[in-house]
Amino acid sequence: DAGITQSPRYKITETGRQVTLMCHQTWSHSYMFWYRQDLGHGLRLIYYSAAADITDKGEVPDGYVVSRSKTENFPLTLESATRSQTSVYFCASSGGEDFQETQYFGPGTRLLVL
Amino acid sequence: QKEVEQNSGPLSVPEGAIASLNCTYSDRGSQSFFWYRQYSGKSPELIMSIYSNGDKEDGRFTAQLNKASQYVSLLIRDSQPSDSATYLCAVNMITKAAGNKLTFGGGTRVLVKP
Repeated sequence: DAGITQSPRYKITETGRQVTLMCHQTWSHSYMFWYRQDLGHGLRLIYYSAAADITDKGEVPDGYVVSRSKTENFPLTLESATRSQTSVYFCASSGGEDFQETQYFGPGTRLLVL
Repeated sequence: QKEVEQNSGPLSVPEGAIASLNCTYSDRGSQSFFWYRQYSGKSPELIMSIYSNGDKEDGRFTAQLNKASQYVSLLIRDSQPSDSATYLCAVNMITKAAGNKLTFGGGTRVLVKP
């Protein structure tokens, strides 16, 4: 049971390039989330999705685009990478709306923008 | 004012002692509270959840919730070097769009010294 996976695990890119981070989950969870984690800021929500073709902005969505054509995949695209987007990105998923639902995290992608 | 606040630490604890971590939150409507442990370079993993006022024990971990004071804590008894990690407090907000949406505190770094 793979659970939730992210690829690539590490990425170095240059300012202005487009980068796509992949997230795949095998639990058929309805909800998926993208966070970034930076020193001094903790985990901040970028985008989330309640189901295929339903996405919404989180706390820090500027410069990012998401899509969700299939329930199991939730890619995050940096349209034109900037140095301020250097961070660790975590994808998470959750089964439903119940208040006891837990979010489960992928292993993360470390992104360095030069 | 941050929605979920934690002391960033580091909290230095001798091996075998009790580590006490605190978290305060601002949304009185929150119903569920989670503690995640995050080792350096790894993703957050759930260790405790609590939904009702009082204490909840799981092994060496005890979560305490006081909704009137908007306060949740985590006690780690008989602390081990393997408990050295950052502990993230997360508080929920139920929304149709995001399910059980979590807001995370900045985390408390715990160092257990042999």
